[in-house]
Amino acid sequence: DQQVKQNSPSLSVQEGRISILNCDYTNSMFDYFLWYKKYPAEGPTFLISISSIKDKNEDGRFTVFLNKSAKHLSLHIVPSQPGDSAVYFCAASEDTSYDKVIFGPGTSLSVIP
Amino acid sequence: DAMVIQNPRYQVTQFGKPVTLSCSQTLNHNVMYWYQQKSSQAPKLLFHYYDKDFNNEADTPDNFQSRRPNTSFCFLDIRSPGLGDAAMYLCATSSARSPLHFGNGTRLTVT
Repeated sequence: DQQVKQNSPSLSVQEGRISILNCDYTNSMFDYFLWYKKYPAEGPTFLISISSIKDKNEDGRFTVFLNKSAKHLSLHIVPSQPGDSAVYFCAASEDTSYDKVIFGPGTSLSVIP
Repeated sequence: DAMVIQNPRYQVTQFGKPVTLSCSQTLNHNVMYWYQQKSSQAPKLLFHYYDKDFNNEADTPDNFQSRRPNTSFCFLDIRSPGLGDAAMYLCATSSARSPLHFGNGTRLTVT
């Protein structure tokens, strides 16, 4: 039973345009959400997070939006750059102790120059 | 640079032959995790240590064991690897209110 879903296995975007990566979750107890980025042959690295008391968090070119009623979050990358090409994992935890983080299957983003 | 180091990067073992994967950290984080990731799937949490307290996921097979002799090191033991255990194994660490820091993983092949 997948608690965190990323229904698009892959996404291609032109350089300079917006990339939108989507994530849905089923566990209403999740209250902290994270995005990780993974390059080939490397471990995932933390990108941005959002707690359930917010609906938006922005860090430079990256913005995460949270819609709790829909159990949906999205990551926006503007403008997209070729170096953003990677696999993006959505993840969630039930509390801010971070002890147990559940990951989605990832979306592979390709930014085309 | 403070980091999470996994050795080896690639491990080949025979069907049924015990294998140990290692992870060390210089971040002094109190929580250490082991995730299993199969191709195009979500990293799956196997277990984690909160300090010395071991927390096993309910669906982690008994074939998988872990040891944490001190804050810096954590080991994943697979007692009798099967073909289905071939995967990328990711070690991660965290402390209170910090996101996970991952190592680069060990890719396990079972022949």
